[in-house]
Amino acid sequence: DAGITQSPRHKVTETGTPVTLRCHQTENHRYMYWYRQDPGHGLRLIHYSYGVKDTDKGEVSDGYSVSRSKTEDFLLTLESATSSQTSVYFCAISVGSDVGNTDTQYFGPGTRLTVL
Amino acid sequence: AQKITQTQPGMFVQEKEAVTLDCTYDTSDQSYGLFWYKQPSSGEMIFLIYQGSYDEQNATEGRYSLNFQKARKSANLVISASQLGDSAMYFCAMRAFNAGNMLTFGGGTRLMVKP
Repeated sequence: DAGITQSPRHKVTETGTPVTLRCHQTENHRYMYWYRQDPGHGLRLIHYSYGVKDTDKGEVSDGYSVSRSKTEDFLLTLESATSSQTSVYFCAISVGSDVGNTDTQYFGPGTRLTVL
Repeated sequence: AQKITQTQPGMFVQEKEAVTLDCTYDTSDQSYGLFWYKQPSSGEMIFLIYQGSYDEQNATEGRYSLNFQKARKSANLVISASQLGDSAMYFCAMRAFNAGNMLTFGGGTRLMVKP
């Protein structure tokens, strides 16, 4: 157990509404990540953070923003949800040395988001 | 850019037999890491095994081993003595050290273990 929780675990919302997903870790790891998983795909990186207020874009960042005001929390926001953002969202942390050959990413339980 | 290819969408294996799940990768980086994750039907992503690009020995973790062939750019997962609980999706992933340690995933292989 890497001490990662995600909230909410399930959410149904309507097109055009804002949505915020929360990832919380208990172990003060520097790197945190948001991925999405869609049928037929592995996970794809949305955004990641390498410290408080330090974030960067991933492969599929359009339509998403993130914030990290505390080490333990990494928020993912859909400013105006669309049906194409229906997906399972995973948060992850990188455990090991900050930039090391043995870093391993551990994942939270996931959030299933449905946009109607 | 990194790319991971898993060519087997689904596989069957008989219980107690060994099975190999294929993974090939493409990268221009000299230093990288390769991972395998298991995703059971419950949905969580479970880390299985890691191989660094400079590791000379193939990684092993219990019944899991990684057949790393650097020249062929392959990192196949071998599961020995399959169990019914091994039925799951398996994802191969690569870490790019120069881009925030982000992971690039393959499309996955669904393994089904037959009793």
